[in-house]
Amino acid sequence: QVQLQESGPGLVKPSGTLSLTCAVSGGSISSSNWWSWIRQPPGKGLEWIGEIYHSGSTNYNPSLKSRVTISVDKSKNQFSLKLSSVTAADTAVYYCARATYYYDSYNWFDPWGQGTLVTVSS
Amino acid sequence: SSELTQDPAVSVALGQTVRITCQGDSLRSYYASWYQQKPGQAPVLVIYGKNNRPSGIPDRFSGSSSGNTASLTITGAQAEDEADYYCNSRDSSGNRHVVFGGGTKLTVL
Repeated sequence: QVQLQESGPGLVKPSGTLSLTCAVSGGSISSSNWWSWIRQPPGKGLEWIGEIYHSGSTNYNPSLKSRVTISVDKSKNQFSLKLSSVTAADTAVYYCARATYYYDSYNWFDPWGQGTLVTVSS
Repeated sequence: SSELTQDPAVSVALGQTVRITCQGDSLRSYYASWYQQKPGQAPVLVIYGKNNRPSGIPDRFSGSSSGNTASLTITGAQAEDEADYYCNSRDSSGNRHVVFGGGTKLTVL
Protein backbone atom coordinates (compact mmCIF):
# COMPACT_ATOMS: atom_id res chain seq x y z
CA GLN A 1 0.00 0.00 0.00
CA VAL A 2 1.04 3.60 -0.50
CA GLN A 3 3.13 5.14 2.26
CA LEU A 4 4.27 8.74 2.65
CA GLN A 5 7.25 10.06 4.59
CA GLU A 6 8.04 13.71 5.28
CA SER A 7 11.59 14.97 5.67
CA GLY A 8 13.29 18.31 6.18
CA PRO A 9 14.76 20.67 8.79
CA GLY A 10 12.98 20.78 12.11
CA LEU A 11 14.08 24.34 12.85
CA VAL A 12 13.77 27.38 10.60
CA LYS A 13 14.71 30.97 11.40
CA PRO A 14 12.10 33.74 11.22
CA SER A 15 11.86 35.32 7.76
CA GLY A 16 13.47 32.22 6.28
CA THR A 17 12.01 29.56 4.01
CA LEU A 18 10.58 26.29 5.24
CA SER A 19 11.37 23.38 2.90
CA LEU A 20 9.95 19.87 3.22
CA THR A 21 9.84 16.82 0.99
CA CYS A 22 7.36 13.95 0.96
CA ALA A 23 8.59 10.63 -0.41
CA VAL A 24 5.92 8.34 -1.85
CA SER A 25 6.48 4.58 -1.71
CA GLY A 26 4.34 1.62 -2.67
CA GLY A 27 2.72 3.49 -5.55
CA SER A 28 3.35 6.01 -8.30
CA ILE A 29 3.07 9.76 -7.84
CA SER A 30 1.78 9.76 -11.43
CA SER A 31 -1.45 8.04 -10.41
CA SER A 32 -4.82 9.81 -10.65
CA ASN A 33 -4.51 11.49 -7.27
CA TRP A 34 -3.51 14.85 -5.94
CA TRP A 35 -0.71 15.17 -3.40
CA SER A 36 -1.30 17.51 -0.48
CA TRP A 37 0.30 19.35 2.39
CA ILE A 38 -1.63 19.91 5.61
CA ARG A 39 -0.38 21.44 8.83
CA GLN A 40 -1.39 21.48 12.50
CA PRO A 41 -0.07 24.08 14.97
CA PRO A 42 0.56 22.65 18.45
CA GLY A 43 -2.74 22.06 20.22
CA LYS A 44 -4.80 23.34 17.28
CA GLY A 45 -6.71 22.00 14.30
CA LEU A 46 -5.81 21.00 10.76
CA GLU A 47 -5.14 23.53 7.99
CA TRP A 48 -4.95 22.62 4.31
CA ILE A 49 -1.93 24.23 2.65
CA GLY A 50 -2.28 23.08 -0.93
CA GLU A 51 -1.94 20.27 -3.44
CA ILE A 52 -0.23 19.23 -6.66
CA TYR A 53 -1.00 16.83 -9.51
CA HIS A 54 1.73 14.92 -11.27
CA SER A 55 1.30 17.23 -14.27
CA GLY A 56 2.44 20.11 -12.08
CA SER A 57 -1.00 21.70 -11.61
CA THR A 58 -1.41 23.21 -8.15
CA ASN A 59 -4.08 24.59 -5.85
CA TYR A 60 -3.24 26.62 -2.76
CA ASN A 61 -5.00 27.86 0.36
CA PRO A 62 -5.81 31.51 -0.42
CA SER A 63 -4.52 32.58 3.00
CA LEU A 64 -1.06 31.14 2.26
CA LYS A 65 -0.91 31.39 -1.52
CA SER A 66 1.53 34.31 -1.66
CA ARG A 67 4.13 32.36 0.33
CA VAL A 68 3.63 28.74 -0.81
CA THR A 69 5.17 26.74 -3.61
CA ILE A 70 4.48 23.02 -4.08
CA SER A 71 6.46 21.10 -6.67
CA VAL A 72 6.71 17.50 -7.88
CA ASP A 73 9.68 15.35 -8.88
CA LYS A 74 8.33 12.35 -10.77
CA SER A 75 11.79 10.84 -11.23
CA LYS A 76 12.16 10.57 -7.45
CA ASN A 77 8.47 9.85 -6.77
CA GLN A 78 8.26 12.74 -4.34
CA PHE A 79 6.77 16.19 -3.92
CA SER A 80 7.90 19.21 -1.96
CA LEU A 81 6.70 22.24 -0.02
CA LYS A 82 8.33 25.63 0.27
CA LEU A 83 6.87 28.27 2.59
CA SER A 84 8.64 31.62 2.56
CA SER A 85 8.84 34.50 5.03
CA VAL A 86 8.00 32.26 7.96
CA THR A 87 7.08 33.52 11.43
CA ALA A 88 6.40 31.80 14.73
CA ALA A 89 2.80 31.35 13.55
CA ASP A 90 4.07 28.83 11.00
CA THR A 91 5.31 26.52 13.75
CA ALA A 92 3.35 23.31 13.26
CA VAL A 93 3.40 19.63 12.49
CA TYR A 94 3.41 19.38 8.71
CA TYR A 95 1.74 16.37 7.09
CA CYS A 96 1.74 15.18 3.53
CA ALA A 97 -1.23 13.17 2.31
CA ARG A 98 -2.72 11.68 -0.82
CA ALA A 99 -5.96 13.37 -1.90
CA THR A 100 -8.56 11.52 -3.90
CA TYR A 101 -11.40 13.33 -5.66
CA TYR A 102 -14.60 11.60 -6.71
CA TYR A 103 -15.33 12.83 -10.24
CA ASP A 104 -14.03 16.30 -9.37
CA SER A 105 -16.56 16.38 -6.53
CA TYR A 106 -15.94 15.57 -2.89
CA ASN A 107 -12.50 14.51 -1.69
CA TRP A 108 -10.70 12.64 1.05
CA PHE A 109 -7.15 12.32 2.36
CA ASP A 110 -5.65 8.85 2.74
CA PRO A 111 -3.00 7.87 3.58
CA TRP A 112 -1.14 10.49 5.61
CA GLY A 113 2.52 10.71 6.44
CA GLN A 114 3.53 10.53 10.09
CA GLY A 115 4.10 14.28 10.19
CA THR A 116 7.14 16.37 11.00
CA LEU A 117 7.36 19.19 13.51
CA VAL A 118 8.82 22.41 12.16
CA THR A 119 9.64 25.11 14.68
CA VAL A 120 10.24 28.69 13.61
CA SER A 121 12.66 30.28 16.04
CA SER A 122 15.91 32.19 16.09
CA SER B 1 -14.31 30.70 0.98
CA SER B 2 -16.08 28.30 3.29
CA GLU B 3 -16.01 27.30 6.92
CA LEU B 4 -16.89 24.07 8.70
CA THR B 5 -18.11 24.25 12.29
CA GLN B 6 -17.76 21.44 14.83
CA ASP B 7 -18.59 21.28 18.53
CA PRO B 8 -15.29 21.51 20.45
CA ALA B 9 -16.06 18.61 22.77
CA VAL B 10 -18.50 15.73 23.06
CA SER B 11 -18.72 12.91 25.58
CA VAL B 12 -20.35 9.49 25.48
CA ALA B 13 -20.76 6.64 27.93
CA LEU B 14 -18.97 3.43 27.07
CA GLY B 15 -21.10 1.33 24.74
CA GLN B 16 -23.51 4.12 23.91
CA THR B 17 -24.08 5.93 20.62
CA VAL B 18 -22.67 9.35 19.85
CA ARG B 19 -23.08 11.69 16.90
CA ILE B 20 -20.46 14.27 15.98
CA THR B 21 -21.64 17.01 13.63
CA CYS B 22 -20.05 19.31 11.08
CA GLN B 23 -21.89 22.32 9.64
CA GLY B 24 -21.12 24.45 6.63
CA ASP B 25 -22.53 25.78 3.38
CA SER B 26 -20.19 23.63 1.30
CA LEU B 27 -21.87 20.52 2.72
CA ARG B 28 -24.95 21.31 0.64
CA SER B 29 -22.80 20.52 -2.42
CA TYR B 30 -20.14 18.08 -1.22
CA TYR B 31 -19.98 15.13 1.13
CA ALA B 32 -17.72 15.49 4.14
CA SER B 33 -14.89 13.14 5.01
CA TRP B 34 -14.03 12.31 8.61
CA TYR B 35 -10.70 11.71 10.34
CA GLN B 36 -9.77 10.31 13.74
CA GLN B 37 -6.63 11.64 15.41
CA LYS B 38 -5.17 10.23 18.61
CA PRO B 39 -2.51 12.13 20.60
CA GLY B 40 0.85 12.22 18.87
CA GLN B 41 -0.45 10.43 15.77
CA ALA B 42 -1.37 11.43 12.25
CA PRO B 43 -5.06 11.64 11.34
CA VAL B 44 -6.69 8.48 10.01
CA LEU B 45 -9.56 8.48 7.51
CA VAL B 46 -12.67 6.83 8.97
CA ILE B 47 -15.51 7.89 6.63
CA TYR B 48 -15.62 9.33 3.12
CA GLY B 49 -18.32 10.03 0.58
CA LYS B 50 -21.95 9.21 1.29
CA ASN B 51 -21.02 6.59 3.92
CA ASN B 52 -17.88 4.68 2.99
CA ARG B 53 -15.43 3.14 5.41
CA PRO B 54 -11.81 2.39 4.46
CA SER B 55 -10.57 -1.11 5.02
CA GLY B 56 -9.88 -1.75 8.68
CA ILE B 57 -12.32 0.81 10.08
CA PRO B 58 -14.91 -0.83 12.36
CA ASP B 59 -18.51 -0.82 11.18
CA ARG B 60 -19.58 1.04 14.33
CA PHE B 61 -18.47 4.16 12.44
CA SER B 62 -20.99 5.57 9.97
CA GLY B 63 -21.64 8.84 8.18
CA SER B 64 -24.70 10.75 7.05
CA SER B 65 -25.60 14.14 5.65
CA SER B 66 -28.63 16.44 5.57
CA GLY B 67 -28.70 19.97 4.25
CA ASN B 68 -25.68 21.84 5.52
CA THR B 69 -24.84 19.27 8.22
CA ALA B 70 -22.71 16.15 8.04
CA SER B 71 -22.65 13.67 10.90
CA LEU B 72 -20.30 10.97 12.09
CA THR B 73 -22.03 8.38 14.27
CA ILE B 74 -20.27 5.88 16.50
CA THR B 75 -22.68 3.12 17.54
CA GLY B 76 -21.45 1.39 20.68
CA ALA B 77 -18.49 3.64 21.47
CA GLN B 78 -15.36 1.92 22.74
CA ALA B 79 -12.59 3.28 24.94
CA GLU B 80 -10.24 3.29 21.96
CA ASP B 81 -12.56 5.70 20.12
CA GLU B 82 -11.53 8.52 22.44
CA ALA B 83 -9.79 10.93 20.09
CA ASP B 84 -10.12 14.15 18.13
CA TYR B 85 -12.35 13.99 15.07
CA TYR B 86 -12.11 16.33 12.09
CA CYS B 87 -14.35 16.78 9.08
CA ASN B 88 -13.23 18.15 5.73
CA SER B 89 -14.95 19.23 2.55
CA ARG B 90 -14.37 20.99 -0.69
CA ASP B 91 -14.77 24.77 -0.64
CA SER B 92 -18.16 25.81 -2.00
CA SER B 93 -16.75 28.83 -3.83
CA GLY B 94 -16.14 26.80 -6.97
CA ASN B 95 -12.39 26.88 -6.55
CA ARG B 96 -10.45 23.71 -5.84
CA HIS B 97 -9.84 24.57 -2.21
CA VAL B 98 -10.26 22.36 0.81
CA VAL B 99 -11.44 23.22 4.31
CA PHE B 100 -11.31 21.41 7.64
CA GLY B 101 -13.57 21.74 10.64
CA GLY B 102 -12.05 22.88 13.92
CA GLY B 103 -12.24 19.38 15.40
CA THR B 104 -14.25 17.67 18.14
CA LYS B 105 -12.64 16.10 21.18
CA LEU B 106 -14.54 12.89 21.98
CA THR B 107 -14.35 11.61 25.55
CA VAL B 108 -15.56 8.08 26.31
CA LEU B 109 -16.74 7.90 29.91
